[in-house]
Parts: sequence; structure tokens; C-alpha cells
Amino acid sequence: DAEITQSPRHKITETGRQVTLACHQTWNHNNMFWYRQDLGHGLRLIHYSYGVQDTNKGEVSDGYSVSRSNTEDLPLTLESAASSQTSVYFCASFDGNTGELFFGEGSRLTVL
Amino acid sequence: QKEVEQNSGPLSVPEGAIASLNCTYSDRGSQSFFWYRQYSGKSPELIMFIYSNGDKEDGRFTAQLNKASQYVSLLIRDSQPSDSATYLCAVMEYGNKLVFGAGTILRVKS
Repeated sequence: DAEITQSPRHKITETGRQVTLACHQTWNHNNMFWYRQDLGHGLRLIHYSYGVQDTNKGEVSDGYSVSRSNTEDLPLTLESAASSQTSVYFCASFDGNTGELFFGEGSRLTVL
Repeated sequence: QKEVEQNSGPLSVPEGAIASLNCTYSDRGSQSFFWYRQYSGKSPELIMFIYSNGDKEDGRFTAQLNKASQYVSLLIRDSQPSDSATYLCAVMEYGNKLVFGAGTILRVKS
């Protein structure tokens, strides 16, 4: 079955370190998204991509970057992790045929 | 940036009752609306979507949309303890981007 996977599922890092969260989908969807989820804020859009070499900033993009070198992967990089980036991160891909957004299992990041 | 508002709850209902979850949105031009369910520690999963004014039913779930009032609701009939979760309302922006509300916690008491 096609799926979307994230890794690592849990990570603890220190302030100032670079961190990369991986996202891989096997549906061949063009549209992929990264959200963060914090108590009281719901899901907020960080970055998104509509295809290879395309990346766009979302509502809360400061301190994050993404790259899209192939259809399957959209890694999210925190260049210099800050405590404010402690959160649960969800990757998602969009099925244009059904209009459904599919989420990965989430990556819980703690920045100490 | 569109805004989507939900009462955070928790909304507590007895088993077998109807749970009513509400959501309002700011952009009058919004066309597509989604309800997701999220269990604690899990990822959101789609319950249903609605595009047209009125009601849309899927099993025990009914989504209701009123574009004039900019409100969308989700009714859950015959609520079960397994329905206890956070329910997220989302509105689609241009470019297939979903804007989510903060979610309503539902607790179904047996």
C-alpha cells in the first residue's frame, strides 16, 4: 500500500543544532506540506511544495527550510534549532483526485 | 490568512447522544471544508468534506455547511466512547492548502 512516512518519530536536540526531519510518500503526489502542531494553535503550515524544485513559505516559515529534489521526499530542516521549535511536526501529501490530505505519523521534536 | 475558529472544549456527551461540533471561518469566498479526527498522539485522519450548502451524511456523521453564516458543523449520532478525540475543522485556501482550527476535544462518557 502507498503511504507517507516520517523519520525520526522522536528527537531531542540542543539549541543551535541543525535538525532535518524526513518525509517520504509513495503515492507520487505533487503537493506536499509540512505543519507543526502546538497546544492551543492547532496545525500551522510551515512550508509546502507543488512539485520538484518548487518550495513555498507558509504561515510560520521562519527558521525552517525545505527542499524538493524528487517527487517522493520533502525534508524539513531547522538550520539552528530554538526552544520555540519544540513541537510535533506533521508532513502531509495531497491527493488531487480525491481532495484528501494524507498525514504522516508525526515527528516529536524537543529542543533543549 | 484565513481564520478558522473552534471552541476548544472539552465537549462532554453521554454515550448514545448526538455530539455537535461547530466551526466558523473568516473568508466568505471559501469553498471547501473538511473535518478531521485526531486521537491523542496520532495523526489527523479525514472524516468527511463538504463543498455545498446543506447537509452531507456519511454513516453516523453529518456535516452541515451554511456559507451565508460562514459556519460548518459536524454532528455525530449515537456517540461512542471510541469517538473521544480532537476534531479539527479545516478550510481549503487557494493552492490546496488547508487552514486548520485549533480543534475541539470531544469526550464521550459511557
